[in-house]
Amino acid sequence: DAKTTQPNSMESNEEEPVHLPCNHSTISGTDYIHWYRQLPSQGPEYVIHGLTSNVNNRMASLAIAEDRKSSTLILHRATLRDAAVYYCILRSAGNMLTFGGGTRLMVKP
Amino acid sequence: GAGVSQSPSNKVTEKGKDVELRCDPISGHTALYWYRQRLGQGLEFLIYFQGNSAPDKSGLPSDRFSAERTGESVSTLTIQRTQQEDSAVYLCASSLRWREAGVSDTQYFGPGTRLTVL
Repeated sequence: DAKTTQPNSMESNEEEPVHLPCNHSTISGTDYIHWYRQLPSQGPEYVIHGLTSNVNNRMASLAIAEDRKSSTLILHRATLRDAAVYYCILRSAGNMLTFGGGTRLMVKP
Repeated sequence: GAGVSQSPSNKVTEKGKDVELRCDPISGHTALYWYRQRLGQGLEFLIYFQGNSAPDKSGLPSDRFSAERTGESVSTLTIQRTQQEDSAVYLCASSLRWREAGVSDTQYFGPGTRLTVL
C-alpha cells in the first residue's frame, strides 16, 4: 500500500470544525482513501472513504484534492467524544489495512 | 446485529507458555484479519483469511505465531513459547469480500485481547 503522511497531533476546541490533513503523493489510480479512528482502549472504527469525489456521511466529510495527492477529513463540530487517533489509509481491493502513525486529535472543552 | 467479538479480553501469561486468542467475526463476513498493536504504536498486520483461499501470512513475525480459521467463522491466533515482546493488544477485524462489498472493503474491528507476558 502507498504511504500516507499525517501530523502527529492536533488540537481543537469543542463545537468547532476540525480539518485533519493527509498527504498521499504516491497514490495510484485504484487506491481508495480510507479514514479510521481509534478511541482510547478500543479497536479502530471506520469513519469514511472515497476515491475521487468529496464524500459526506453522518460522521464526517472527506475532501479529496483534484490530483488525489492529498485529502482532508472534516469533523464539522468536534465533541469531546471525537478525541481519538485518526488514521488515513490507502487501500487497494482485498488487502489488509496498513496503518501509519495517525493524528492524535485532542478536543478542549 | 452482533459485532466482532474477541476472547479473552485480557490474558496474563508467563514467558514460555503458549496462548490462544479467539475471534468471532460478523456473520456473513468472509474476510478476517489479525493485527497487533504495541503500547503507543500503530497497528501491525499479522495474517488475513479470505474464504477458502490460502491465508496471507506475510505479517506473522516468527514461526511461533500461527492462526487457523474454521470455514468462514471463528479464528484462533496461537502464540507458542511467548516472549515479553509479544505483549500487546491483538485485534481482529472482519469484512465482506471486495466484490460483495461493492465500492470498498470496510473492516469492522473487535475490542481486542490485551496480552501481557511476564
